Amino acid sequence: GPKVLQIPSHQIIDMGQMVTLNCDPVSNHLYFYWYKQILGQQMEFLVNFYNGKVMEKSKLFKDQFSVERPDGSYFTLKIQPTALEDSAVYFCASSQGRQNTLYFGAGTRLSVL
Amino acid sequence: AQSVTQPDARVTVSEGASLQLRCKYSSSVTPYLFWYVQYPRQGLQLLLKYYSGDPVVQGVNGFEAEFSKSNSSFHLRKASVHWSDSAVYFCAVSISTGANTGKLTFGHGTILRVHP
Repeated sequence: GPKVLQIPSHQIIDMGQMVTLNCDPVSNHLYFYWYKQILGQQMEFLVNFYNGKVMEKSKLFKDQFSVERPDGSYFTLKIQPTALEDSAVYFCASSQGRQNTLYFGAGTRLSVL
Repeated sequence: AQSVTQPDARVTVSEGASLQLRCKYSSSVTPYLFWYVQYPRQGLQLLLKYYSGDPVVQGVNGFEAEFSKSNSSFHLRKASVHWSDSAVYFCAVSISTGANTGKLTFGHGTILRVHP
């Protein structure tokens, strides 16, 4: 089936540094999402993105977070600066439409030291 | 706001046995309902979804789920499990109104272990 690729699978970073998580969504998809899963907790919605804009974001999407998809390339989540509580697995997803199936990547494990 | 509860954190069954994974939801409007599975080191994969109509929906690999509006439930079933079904199973909901942005609300997941 369609694949969403997330690069890298694991990233280790010092607190206060900037990190960019990359997502290669399914090629004809138009809606893009980031979810966050802290170890032992449920996966929680961060943000969704359509037509170059954030459609909806949760309270977990702090001011230090930003998303973009420049020129139809990777869909990225940038955290600047990082904090210890940002350590989690971040899942990217994409869908063709709002009510279509979401396809998920395998996640990027972010460890903030 | 909607929420999802998966009351069983872990379920262990023997190969060939039947399976039910429970999911209860809370929503102010009729939701769309989903079951996803996550195998080790892979992304979540959709097993099945319910939008409307027949409350029993069929999914991949012999899975099915039954929607119950009266019980606010969407339990997942399989008649005979295989060891390869060992994975984490997530129930999820999204709202079904025009304001739907595709956002999913997930349960905590149920870890299924199938003894060979």
